[in-house]
Amino acid sequence: SQTIHQWPATLVQPVGSPLSLECTVEGTSNPNLYWYRQAAGRGLQLLFYSVGIGQISSEVPQNLSASRPQDRQFILSSKKLLLSDSGFYLCAGEARQGGEKLFFGSGTQLSVL
Amino acid sequence: QKEVEQNSGPLSVPEGAIASLNCTYSDRGSQSFFWYRQYSGKSPELIMFIYSNGDKEDGRFTAQLNKASQYVSLLIRDSQPSDSATYLCAVGSGYSSASKIIFGSGTRLSIRP
Repeated sequence: SQTIHQWPATLVQPVGSPLSLECTVEGTSNPNLYWYRQAAGRGLQLLFYSVGIGQISSEVPQNLSASRPQDRQFILSSKKLLLSDSGFYLCAGEARQGGEKLFFGSGTQLSVL
Repeated sequence: QKEVEQNSGPLSVPEGAIASLNCTYSDRGSQSFFWYRQYSGKSPELIMFIYSNGDKEDGRFTAQLNKASQYVSLLIRDSQPSDSATYLCAVGSGYSSASKIIFGSGTRLSIRP
């Protein structure tokens, strides 16, 4: 079965500090990968998606960036965090020809103070 | 602006009753429809998907789609306390990438013993 490993589960960072969140995928090759952010009580906001190694599309202009150095690795980064970057970050995958069905990692609760 | 609307709830249903969750969407060209269950502090989990008008049943869950009314619903029969969660409706374009999926903000369901 398809699995996403995402870490850390929680993170508290000061404003202006860097960020690196990583997820890895098992059980499928060449998946589409996604980074979502969820504010409390809200739906999921798509931040980045990738259809292959080195291919990143950004949906929301912001101080975050994403990279996909390997087929099953997706990284979300920031050089300087803002207060508004706080939220629940979710890495998601979609099997090739997966019909838009997403499977999610366990998420990272990020608090920027 | 494409939108997916859900009543935020909470929707309180007695144990053993039928829970009915509703969702409307604005893009008449939408082709794929999903229901995700999300427990507090956890990541979403896909529980139902539907592509054609009518009903689709899977165990205690039934998804209903009416494209003419731009309306999709989820029925949960014999509700259990473990069904207490937030249910996210998601609507897609029907293409092979989930990058165009729009999520609603979710309905919080509470099953009272």
